[in-house]
Amino acid sequence: TQLLEQSPQFLSIQEGENLTVYCNSSSVFSSLQWYRQEPGEGPVLLVTVVTGGEVKKLKRLTFQFGDARKDSSLHITAAQPGDTGLYLCAGNRQRYGGSQGNLIFGKGTKLSVKP
Amino acid sequence: DARVTQTPRDKVTEMGQEVTMRCQPILGHNTVFWYRQTMMQGLELLAYFRNRAPLDDSGMPKDRFSAEMPDATLATLKIQPSEPRDSAVYFCASGSRLAGGSKSDEQFFGPGTRLTVL
Repeated sequence: TQLLEQSPQFLSIQEGENLTVYCNSSSVFSSLQWYRQEPGEGPVLLVTVVTGGEVKKLKRLTFQFGDARKDSSLHITAAQPGDTGLYLCAGNRQRYGGSQGNLIFGKGTKLSVKP
Repeated sequence: DARVTQTPRDKVTEMGQEVTMRCQPILGHNTVFWYRQTMMQGLELLAYFRNRAPLDDSGMPKDRFSAEMPDATLATLKIQPSEPRDSAVYFCASGSRLAGGSKSDEQFFGPGTRLTVL
């Protein structure tokens, strides 16, 4: 059973389009992180959200944490070829001050942005 | 700039052989993680250490996998004997507890070791 479900699994769009990817769970997380992974490299952290309902913006990327802290979304405006990659969400199940090791990763959304 | 390094980047071996993967965490980081990534399962936590002590290795097949931190600058993951189902990309990541115990702990990943067991 996958604790964190990401959708869609694959997404291929044209440059300039908008998109949203989702990360859903039946579990509550103390915080949730989004990573981007490029081929041949390890994941790189984009953002961490910690408060239910929180919205964070990183240039053209908007991240939202669900009110109940069970789900999250990533919205990209005017996608560019440089946005291509695997987007992973990761939830921390531990309470505040708990172990860093309880980070659960989703399988990711593979995004391809064509020029 | 500070990065996690992993060696080797690629390893092809035959079933039954021993495989050792090495990781150098970012200097000053006190937590080290080993993950395995496959298409089917995604990114799975195998083990992690804090201050060189193993805290959790429940994700690791104990009969053939072992993880150690001989010192603060080196973490190793060993598979003996290796099997074709061990073929995957193995990532090491390091991190440190942020000041004040913030919940927003970041993990810094290395480039991975792509293991192929024939």
